[in-house]
Amino acid sequence: VLVTQTPSSLPVSLGDQASISCKSSKSLVHNNGITYLAWFLQKPGQLPQSLIHTVSNRFSGVPDRFSGSGSVSDFTLKISRVEPEDLGVYYCLQYVHYPYTFGAGTKLELK
Amino acid sequence: EVQLVESGGGLVQPGRSLKLSCAASGFTFSNYYMAWVRQAPTKGLEWVASITNSGGSTYYRDSVKGRFTISRDNAKSTLYLQMDSLRSEDTATYYCTRDPTFDYWGQGVMVTVSS
Repeated sequence: VLVTQTPSSLPVSLGDQASISCKSSKSLVHNNGITYLAWFLQKPGQLPQSLIHTVSNRFSGVPDRFSGSGSVSDFTLKISRVEPEDLGVYYCLQYVHYPYTFGAGTKLELK
Repeated sequence: EVQLVESGGGLVQPGRSLKLSCAASGFTFSNYYMAWVRQAPTKGLEWVASITNSGGSTYYRDSVKGRFTISRDNAKSTLYLQMDSLRSEDTATYYCTRDPTFDYWGQGVMVTVSS
């Protein structure tokens, strides 16, 4: 399954809304009806941190300014008001079909 | 508290082998599928392999099939990655994580394949 993530770079100002797209070449809906698409943030020099699983469910402790949406093969991560700690590289991941595939990443940086 | 601690990385020559370990604690290891994910220097994340909770089934990305073997010891709560016939393109930081939740990640272990 190919996963296309755009844009590769997203310059923002603090307080802006940011939006990242992730499109897959196949449906990510499992036979059980659940859609397996997740989002991660990796800050410089740190390990990935999990933000959202199954399209729109935030992991514990993730601020509600992060929201995931979409269905089947077209997904979006939105950050409602970017804060300094949100800067880094965002990745989407499809985990319905082996081999799992990550998007190429979107670098969220200051303008 | 869930903890995943990788070990076994290092510098190795092309064609040689290395075995990574990931010691798990803070959860019932035998209930979870597990996975290895890697990241080459300055590159993105790349799923490498997964294993079912019993160890009965394994899955690999094409580029490591036949060279890498994922395994586990549920009695020791430890995940392994045996890497044979290593290539320069296997140079990366290797992370272990829980599949399919991907909620907890180890700190990563560096593998450098170079002559």
